[in-house]
Amino acid sequence: DAGVIQSPRHEVTEMGQEVTLRCKPISGHDYLFWYRQTMMRGLELLIYFNNNVPIDDSGMPEDRFSAKMPNASFSTLKIQPSEPRDSAVYFCASSLILGYSEQYFGPGTRLTVT
Amino acid sequence: AQTVTQSQPEMSVQEAETVTLSCTYDTSESDYYLFWYKQPPSRQMILVIRQEAYKQQNATENRFSVNFQKAAKSFSLKISDSQLGDAAMYFCAYRSATGGSEKLVFGKGTKLTVNP
Repeated sequence: DAGVIQSPRHEVTEMGQEVTLRCKPISGHDYLFWYRQTMMRGLELLIYFNNNVPIDDSGMPEDRFSAKMPNASFSTLKIQPSEPRDSAVYFCASSLILGYSEQYFGPGTRLTVT
Repeated sequence: AQTVTQSQPEMSVQEAETVTLSCTYDTSESDYYLFWYKQPPSRQMILVIRQEAYKQQNATENRFSVNFQKAAKSFSLKISDSQLGDAAMYFCAYRSATGGSEKLVFGKGTKLTVNP
């Protein structure tokens, strides 16, 4: 398996623009997670899905952020409109089952909003 | 809410030596899981080692081992025979085993430098 795939790897956009980050989880994994990493706040869970259904979105910072998982092999994280404080590395991760199981992370998308 | 604290922002070690990274956590739960993840400069997060709280025996994975002290809520990572490839950010993480929350709570990380 190719692992968790994220695109794009880097994104530079201007304030006010819409940004869409994409993730393909490992085939067969039931859970998908979106994280944000910044120097100030570290790694934060934004939202996670189980079988394509959002379970916990309490980490989503505000209404400008939305995430979808239309099927088991694809998820998006959208920011509209983007702001400079959204600049961060966004990770997608997936896992087969929870509890003790490992979360497999993608390579991340570095987002810069100018 | 659970919190994870890594009190050492940076650590350094000589190649072939041993280093210990500290992690403490705060929880009122008795059943949970603990993890150490490594993030090299490539940014890819990689699981290093994990521990189930109900197991008293400390987990080991080759050169990596943990010292799990449940009463003290401490979960330190020991790296033996350090190699240049061990240089990375190391994150300690907590996950509850009860209540249906599958959230991984991460510490702020420790940057490990390995000197040749």
